[in-house]
Amino acid sequence: DTGVSQDPRHKITKRGQNVTFRCDPISEHNRLYWYRQTLGQGPEFLTYFQNEAQLEKSRLLSDRFSAERPKGSFSTLEIQRTEQGDSAMYLCASDNANTGELFFGEGSRLTVL
Amino acid sequence: RKEVEQDPGPFNVPEGATVAFNCTYSNSASQSFFWYRQDCRKEPKLLMSVYSSGNEDGRFTAQLNRASQYISLLIRDSKLSDSATYLCVVNMDTDKLIFGTGTRLQVFP
Repeated sequence: DTGVSQDPRHKITKRGQNVTFRCDPISEHNRLYWYRQTLGQGPEFLTYFQNEAQLEKSRLLSDRFSAERPKGSFSTLEIQRTEQGDSAMYLCASDNANTGELFFGEGSRLTVL
Repeated sequence: RKEVEQDPGPFNVPEGATVAFNCTYSNSASQSFFWYRQDCRKEPKLLMSVYSSGNEDGRFTAQLNRASQYISLLIRDSKLSDSATYLCVVNMDTDKLIFGTGTRLQVFP
């Protein structure tokens, strides 16, 4: 399968714990995006990378959130000291620069107890 | 004002009906516009791009009105399989793509 893959698909954690999600984009895509989605809402922009450079980070993201893409391939999103409000689906996408079409992974669902 | 706004619906229509969704955006410098479809508990997938001249793909027609800063999606001859959430997507003045909240469509027999 050469689509966008995310791991883990589901994560249940206790409040205060750290969690990390991984995203492997489509190999020829140089832009990678992270979004968060809660029930009844559209995907909310978190951050995006062009190659290894993080070009923009949402003002909505607190300092507890950090993302990296060290070699311009896979990316990780870490949430420190999780809170119940962090419970959501975390979606990763990469895009075809020619068409602008975003290809999404199936998401990582986080539940904070 | 939200960057991208949509009526969340739901729109409940019978099979065969024509239904239209609108989406407004706040940034007059936006250049790229898309409609995505999201099925329940699935990831969003591109339905169609929206071009300045408007574009059509089978039963689906998308249009852009730059003066009023809105895009529209028209679905003709609705099918049961069209039931989904339709997300409006607009780029801001960078490559950042912003999604609306989505409009839920339910087509009934």
